[in-house]
Amino acid sequence: GNSVTQMEGPVTLSEEAFLTINCTYTATGYPSLFWYVQYPGEGLQLLLKATKADDKGSNKGFEATYRKETTSFHLEKGSVQVSDSAVYFCSFGNEKLTFGTGTRLTIIP
Amino acid sequence: NAGVTQTPKFQVLKTGQSMTLQCAQDMNHEYMSWYRQDPGMGLRLIHYSVGAGITDQGEVPNGYNVSRSTTEDFPLRLLSAAPSQTSVYFCASGGRGNQPQHFGDGTRLSIL
Repeated sequence: GNSVTQMEGPVTLSEEAFLTINCTYTATGYPSLFWYVQYPGEGLQLLLKATKADDKGSNKGFEATYRKETTSFHLEKGSVQVSDSAVYFCSFGNEKLTFGTGTRLTIIP
Repeated sequence: NAGVTQTPKFQVLKTGQSMTLQCAQDMNHEYMSWYRQDPGMGLRLIHYSVGAGITDQGEVPNGYNVSRSTTEDFPLRLLSAAPSQTSVYFCASGGRGNQPQHFGDGTRLSIL
């Protein structure tokens, strides 16, 4: 069945470090891929998306590339900030979303 | 910009009580859905609707009912609350196809 396997956290990094959060998926067809972010006490917000193979989604310095060959959608950022501390969810689907378990990221000054 | 509005934000119930979680969106989205978020499990789809008068079950529908009488509103009903329904509930809305979903701020529900 459909599933998302996401890098388990928590992840703690120093400010300005490089970030990678791994995400792989199992799905039929080629669904749209998303990264959502959840700040404390809030709902999920769309961070970035990619709708077809080799698409790169980007936003706020974060990037992820839709890799059909490896069924992956890893999230990267070159230099993290304290304000990036949040829980990050990888997901896929068209309307009905399948989510990973989330990765809690903490950035320390 | 209201977006997706959920009420209440917090609720404590006793086992066997009933309750309705409200969800309203002002973006004229066709698609609306309910998810529950549990530790270590991400978000799981409970019910969804592709338009007024049309609802369907998601991954974990047992114990929950929904209806969609208008485009704007999509309430979630717990008919007889159980401790296993303790969770954070999120409502979402969006366009059809590969459009991203917009989430409310959630309702934290505890069943004693």
